[in-house]
Amino acid sequence: DSGVTQTPKHLITATGQRVTLRCSPRSGDLSVYWYQQSLDQGLQFLIQYYNGEERAKGNILERFSAQQFPDLHSELNLSSLELGDSALYFCASSGGGSMNTEAFFGQGTRLTVV
Amino acid sequence: AQSVAQPEDQVNVAEGNPLTVKCTYSVSGNPYLFWYVQYPNRGLQFLLKYITGDNLVKGSYGFEAEFNKSQTSFHLKKPSALVSDSALYFCAVRVTNTGGFKTIFGAGTRLFVKA
Repeated sequence: DSGVTQTPKHLITATGQRVTLRCSPRSGDLSVYWYQQSLDQGLQFLIQYYNGEERAKGNILERFSAQQFPDLHSELNLSSLELGDSALYFCASSGGGSMNTEAFFGQGTRLTVV
Repeated sequence: AQSVAQPEDQVNVAEGNPLTVKCTYSVSGNPYLFWYVQYPNRGLQFLLKYITGDNLVKGSYGFEAEFNKSQTSFHLKKPSALVSDSALYFCAVRVTNTGGFKTIFGAGTRLFVKA
């Protein structure tokens, strides 16, 4: 168990809908990262938050947004969903803002858009 | 552009034999390199990292990796493979990004260890 909790584990929704994925980082970790894993695109970095503030942005679509709350949990909001958004979404956390600390991953949320 | 390449989609090895999973990288500055493993229906698990120091890094489950600056490689190795090592392996490099940093993952290499 990595200590990172993601809910829900599975989500099935229709095109055009909006969903929220939730992540609770390991106790004490200030950095949260979101990744999307799909068969054709591999593992893609979406966004990083550090202590409530956005730190780095990757290949995140404008239809997607995220935030980190004062208690350090994070949510990834996906709107106007398309079939191609079906993927595994991972959250990871690490202790601080340092580049040399490894990240610990949650078990992911499998999103299926129908 | 900064990138990570895992040239093999799949590696097959017999149990008890040594295994190598290859990784090359392209970054500006000093690289921060990581290996992760993913088992079916699970998140990624950290195996080992290279930040600085000895080129041979030892990690979890008997894995080790060799950093080679001249060849820009960070190959994952294990002297004797186990069937339970069968999984998807990701090499990753951490790079700076607009005030923060991001981790770039390779495409992954699927390791099959045959009994």
